[in-house]
Amino acid sequence: DTGVSQNPRHKITKRGQNVTFRCDPISEHNRLYWYRQTLGQGPEFLTYFQNEAQLEKSRLLSDRFSAERPKGSFSTLEIQRTEQGDSAMYLCASSPPGGGGITEAFFGQGTRLTVV
Amino acid sequence: AQSVTQLGSHVSVSEGALVLLRCNYSSSVPPYLFWYVQYPNQGLQLLLKYTSAATLVKGINGFEAEFKKSETSFHLTKPSAHMSDAAEYFCAVSRTDSWGKLQFGAGTQVVVTP
Repeated sequence: DTGVSQNPRHKITKRGQNVTFRCDPISEHNRLYWYRQTLGQGPEFLTYFQNEAQLEKSRLLSDRFSAERPKGSFSTLEIQRTEQGDSAMYLCASSPPGGGGITEAFFGQGTRLTVV
Repeated sequence: AQSVTQLGSHVSVSEGALVLLRCNYSSSVPPYLFWYVQYPNQGLQLLLKYTSAATLVKGINGFEAEFKKSETSFHLTKPSAHMSDAAEYFCAVSRTDSWGKLQFGAGTQVVVTP
């Protein structure tokens, strides 16, 4: 199976610590998205990459959050000085080139972050 | 601006009964509309999408949805519920002039009773 892969699946961290998540998109998918999902809510857009370029960031992405996609392959999402409000499921998705808004996004299984 | 409203955060249906999940959207430009399903501790899986072709869209697992522009709705239905349909369902919208950014509704949790 060559779907979107996210690691780790679960992360428990103490408040104030830094955490980093990794997303490996489907091969040949040049678009990569990060979403955050809190309990009882739908996913909320965080940021979007086309190849290695980060083209849009949500206002939800505070200065403590940074995302990278070196070489247009895998992506990392880092949260510095974690807060309890950062506890959520972080979802990565990828989609193939072309098609604009019509293109289906394929989601990974997510990384569940718990800040204690 | 665009937004999605899903009516009913929880729906309980009997096995074999009709499943109806409601979704209304607002969009300043013609939208693309999607229904995703999420099983516990899993990512999202696409059920179906509306792409301005046929207004009645058929998806996987026997689900279908009808786009009604006059009502700004995209309700999801399945004629006969199965126990395996128990999951959370999300309606989402993207703009036709966008690069695939999705705006999701809050979701509807479906419980199927024997």
